[in-house]
Amino acid sequence: DGGITQSPKYLFRKEGQNVTLSCEQNLNHDAMYWYRQDPGQGLRLIYYSQIVNDFQKGDIAEGYSVSREKKESFPLTVTSAQKNPTAFYLCASMDGYTDTQYFGPGTRLTVL
Amino acid sequence: AQSVTQPDIHITVSEGASLELRCNYSYGATPYLFWYVQSPGQGLQLLLKYFSGDTLVQGIKGFEAEFKRSQSSFNLRKPSVHWSDAAEYFCASNTGGGNKLTFGTGTQLKVEL
Repeated sequence: DGGITQSPKYLFRKEGQNVTLSCEQNLNHDAMYWYRQDPGQGLRLIYYSQIVNDFQKGDIAEGYSVSREKKESFPLTVTSAQKNPTAFYLCASMDGYTDTQYFGPGTRLTVL
Repeated sequence: AQSVTQPDIHITVSEGASLELRCNYSYGATPYLFWYVQSPGQGLQLLLKYFSGDTLVQGIKGFEAEFKRSQSSFNLRKPSVHWSDAAEYFCASNTGGGNKLTFGTGTQLKVEL
């Protein structure tokens, strides 16, 4: 069954800690994206990767880092430099034939 | 810079009534346009998309949207709303390099029984 998985669904972090959010897809898509969602602000792009071993900053990359060592995986690390990390994080991948993005179920990160 | 505007933050309709959610975009050329739906605590599900051609596009769950270049709009419609349609709806456009999506701030739909 093809799709995008994100784990964990809920994540709690103490201030000053780095945490890594997982995103895996078995759709064979080249491009993957990370978005942050806050109430009333829609979705904002953090990082994206159009191909393995390459990625670009989005609109709000400060305090985040990513890697793209495998086509199917695009993990996001929220570092201690991110001042307000509590949010809902969504991963997406794009079908290059239809230019359409498909989303995972999301991870809710809460800083305690 | 391109932008997407959803003027209505909240909309309440009665079950069985018709629905129209507004979306306006700002871009010189014709963008790719999308509507997604999100249930609480879930990811986004694609409802429909417009790239070119017929300006009235049909989507899943009985939704449709009409692209109007003269009004820079891509409004989402449904003739008869069901209680299960209660969710948040996002309009998005794709015009930049890397196929990045620009999202509107969303419209929260409440359905009264």
